[in-house]
Amino acid sequence: EVQLVESGGGLVKPGGSLRLSCAGSGFTFSNAWMNWVRQPPGKGLEWVGRIKSIPDGGTTDYAAPVKGRFTISRDDSKNMVYLQMNSLKIEDTAVYFCSTGLFLDYWGQGTLVTVSS
Amino acid sequence: DIVMTQSPDSLAVSLGERATINCKSSQSVSYSSNNKNYLAWYQQKPGQPPKLLIHWASTRESGVPDRFSGSGSGTDFTLTISSLQAEDVAVYYCLQYYSPLPTFGQGTKVEIK
Repeated sequence: EVQLVESGGGLVKPGGSLRLSCAGSGFTFSNAWMNWVRQPPGKGLEWVGRIKSIPDGGTTDYAAPVKGRFTISRDDSKNMVYLQMNSLKIEDTAVYFCSTGLFLDYWGQGTLVTVSS
Repeated sequence: DIVMTQSPDSLAVSLGERATINCKSSQSVSYSSNNKNYLAWYQQKPGQPPKLLIHWASTRESGVPDRFSGSGSGTDFTLTISSLQAEDVAVYYCLQYYSPLPTFGQGTKVEIK
């Protein structure tokens, strides 16, 4: 059974940093493209970014609102993917989900990030 | 970026009746080289993560009831629930994954009339 478990969310002040983690199991993690998607309270889904598998180049892509502030990395030895979030803004407040694959077939339960003074 | 626009924003349908959700992309999300449409549909219930229903515009995920179907190509796509059940109350999203920067529609809320 595929499982994705996000952690690391919490309350942070504007301008601060936070690192989210996502642990994957039940699939061949090293071959998986991993995505981060966020959902502000009461609003819709927004794709944040993605890291391809190392065999596919291990490259990253980011949505415009987070490019230059967020960084995605992976540690295939631990079946983990990370989202480093810097220079956080109030509008980054959201539940952050990790998800697998080209068309986001499996999802974790999400972790809440609140950016507030 | 490719903009995805869903219609309507919400709809109320009687139990057992058909629900139709449309999704339009600002540019084609189809590759002629492989004849595939890079379009997926998700269902999200309150307090839960989204669940993938359909990918490649019309391929139903394993375990998804066959009352859910997807159609369309190019820029215009449709998710149809042929006979609405109470458990189908949710928000539905389309996603294009044609671009290196995938984008979601704004969501369509489906309720029981």
